[in-house]
Amino acid sequence: KNQVEQSPQSLIILEGKNCTLQCNYTVSPFSNLRWYKQDTGRGPVSLTIMTFSENTKSNGRYTATLDADTKQSSLHITASQLSDSASYICVCHSGTYKYIFGTGTRLKVLA
Amino acid sequence: GAGVSQSPSNKVTEKGKDVELRCDPISGHTALYWYRQSLGQGLEFLIYFQGNSAPDKSGLPSDRFSAERTGGSVSTLTIQRTQQEDSAVYLCASSGADRAFSGNTIYFGEGSWLTVV
Repeated sequence: KNQVEQSPQSLIILEGKNCTLQCNYTVSPFSNLRWYKQDTGRGPVSLTIMTFSENTKSNGRYTATLDADTKQSSLHITASQLSDSASYICVCHSGTYKYIFGTGTRLKVLA
Repeated sequence: GAGVSQSPSNKVTEKGKDVELRCDPISGHTALYWYRQSLGQGLEFLIYFQGNSAPDKSGLPSDRFSAERTGGSVSTLTIQRTQQEDSAVYLCASSGADRAFSGNTIYFGEGSWLTVV
C-alpha cells in the first residue's frame, strides 16, 4: 500500500534554531517527492521537488534530502524564523497522476 | 489568472442543503485536482481532470459528491444534501502537464472552507 509517513507530528522550536523534519515513504513506482509548506488557513505552497536521482536540494534556508534506497527524505530548516510556523507536507508522485500526501508536521517557532 | 482561484472562500450551510464550490485553475493548466482536508488531517484526493479525458472520480466519498470541468478550464465541485461530516477545507490544484516523471509543480488554491451546521 502506498503510504507517506511524517515525523514528528508536531514540533516547537525557538527562533533562530535549526530543525529537521522526516518523511518515510513506501510508494511504487516512485517518480518524485515534494515538500509543501501550508500556512494556517492557506493552500499548500511548493518548497522543493526531488527526483529519485537527486540527493540534496536547497531553497534558501530550506534543504531537502532524499535517500531513494531507504525511502527517506528530510527537510532541514536553518535559522528558523517566526514565519516558518506552518505545516510541512511531504508528497510523493507515484508516476501516475496520483499524489500520496503525508499528514504533515506542524511546526511552531517561538520568539 | 496568476494563481488558482477558488470561491467562495468560506461557506456556512445548513445540513441537507446543496453547495457548489468553484475553481479557476491557472490558465493553460490541463490537470485539475480536488482535495479535501479535514481539521488537522492530511489531504484526501477527491477527483482528477486531465484535458478531455474521462475524470478519475475514485476519491469521491459518496454519490452526493460530483464535479465537472467545463471547457477544460473552470471546475465546480457540488455536494448535495450536505452532512456535518462534509465540513472541511476543499482545495483545488492545477498543474501544467501530466506526464510521469515530469516533476511539474502542483499549484494549490487557498481553499473553500465549508461548515455544515
